[in-house]
Amino acid sequence: GQQLNQSPQSMFIQEGEDVSMNCTSSSIFNTWLWYKQDPGEGPVLLIALYKAGELTSNGRLTAQFGITRKDSFLNISASIPSDVGIYFCAGPSELNAGKSTFGDGTTLTVKP
Amino acid sequence: DGGITQSPKYLFRKEGQNVTLSCEQNLNHDAMYWYRQDPGQGLRLIYYSQIVNDFQKGDIAEGYSVSREKKESFPLTVTSAQKNPTAFYLCASSIGTVPTEAFFGQGTRLTVV
Repeated sequence: GQQLNQSPQSMFIQEGEDVSMNCTSSSIFNTWLWYKQDPGEGPVLLIALYKAGELTSNGRLTAQFGITRKDSFLNISASIPSDVGIYFCAGPSELNAGKSTFGDGTTLTVKP
Repeated sequence: DGGITQSPKYLFRKEGQNVTLSCEQNLNHDAMYWYRQDPGQGLRLIYYSQIVNDFQKGDIAEGYSVSREKKESFPLTVTSAQKNPTAFYLCASSIGTVPTEAFFGQGTRLTVV
């Protein structure tokens, strides 16, 4: 199946720091979705991107749809303890538009 | 309130037994999905359904079965043929046949002993 490569795999940061993570694919994606999963819960959608080059914000979160349509970035500014969790990128690729592929996730730990 | 509900939250079964996980949504969504999550890994698609009475295999369908007799319901059966069934199972739904903006349930943690 399609693969999405997320990096970094994990991050340990101090409260107040900014965070950047990214997602790349060898296939073109039509949509990029960023989800957050709290421990023991289902993922929740944070940001959806639909156009190449699109930059979208949701509070302290900003995500971008890469121009090549093969990558996306998520930034979190001024991190707080409740930002802890696993962040997934996902999306339907051009090769298989009927289902979403998920990356392996970036695990974020925020130290107070 | 609209949402997607999975039950139970925790499930224990003996090896060799079939077990069915429930997933119900009242969002009037056409598409529903089942994912499996193992520690440190992303979500892997087991089965998905875009309309009632129709479903397709995902990337890891072996040892699993589903049905979609009603729009609201998409139960997953983990059969004895699944060699490593202990995992966290997540159900999701989306409004159309293209899986944008999926809404997830809270998951069922299945432990087979």
